[in-house]
Amino acid sequence: QKEVEQNSGPLSVPEGAIASLNCTYSDRGSQSFFWYRQYSGKSPELIMFIYSNGDKEDGRFTAQLNKASQYVSLLIRDSQPSDSATYLCAVSYNTDKLIFGTGTRLQVFP
Amino acid sequence: ETGVTQTPRHLVMGMTNKKSLKCEQHLGHNAMYWYKQSAKKPLELMFVYSLEERVENNSVPSRFSPECPNSSHLFLHLHTLQPEDSALYLCASSQERLAGFNTGELFFGEGSRLTVL
Repeated sequence: QKEVEQNSGPLSVPEGAIASLNCTYSDRGSQSFFWYRQYSGKSPELIMFIYSNGDKEDGRFTAQLNKASQYVSLLIRDSQPSDSATYLCAVSYNTDKLIFGTGTRLQVFP
Repeated sequence: ETGVTQTPRHLVMGMTNKKSLKCEQHLGHNAMYWYKQSAKKPLELMFVYSLEERVENNSVPSRFSPECPNSSHLFLHLHTLQPEDSALYLCASSQERLAGFNTGELFFGEGSRLTVL
């Protein structure tokens, strides 16, 4: 069974610090990797996707993918209280399915 | 109009009731989905529709019955549910069916919070 694992947290970081969120997946056939952000009481929204090994940067966000080790991470630089949310890792396998992790709750305190 | 709207936002029903959840997307997308989100569990895919045709039924109990009359509307009919079915039900849409190397971007509605007594 394909699984996506995340530490549920909460991960607490001070404002301005780098938040590092990690995700591991079980199936080496995984092709595409996504990070969704979900604010409390709101729906998930896509913030990053990555296909190739290495880093992908978008503003304060960097997604890192290591297929050999089967992990994907999300770095948030200069964390802000508005970044406080649950971050969902999702993996696709060339099907209609996105397999989601349980999410990591991030708390950024002033 | 927001992208994906769901009604009702909250629903309380007894185990013998019949109710329906409604989803409407204003994005011109061709694929729509129902997901279930329970506390401390991953998002679970329930149903996938592409161009009004059901393409995936993820082994969901028959007490959940989807309906997709057109590419903009999706329903989830509920009948004789169990208390463990209490959860947040999220509707989502995507431009096309998700497959392989694409952005994997799902646009979610705000969800319908269901409580089964």
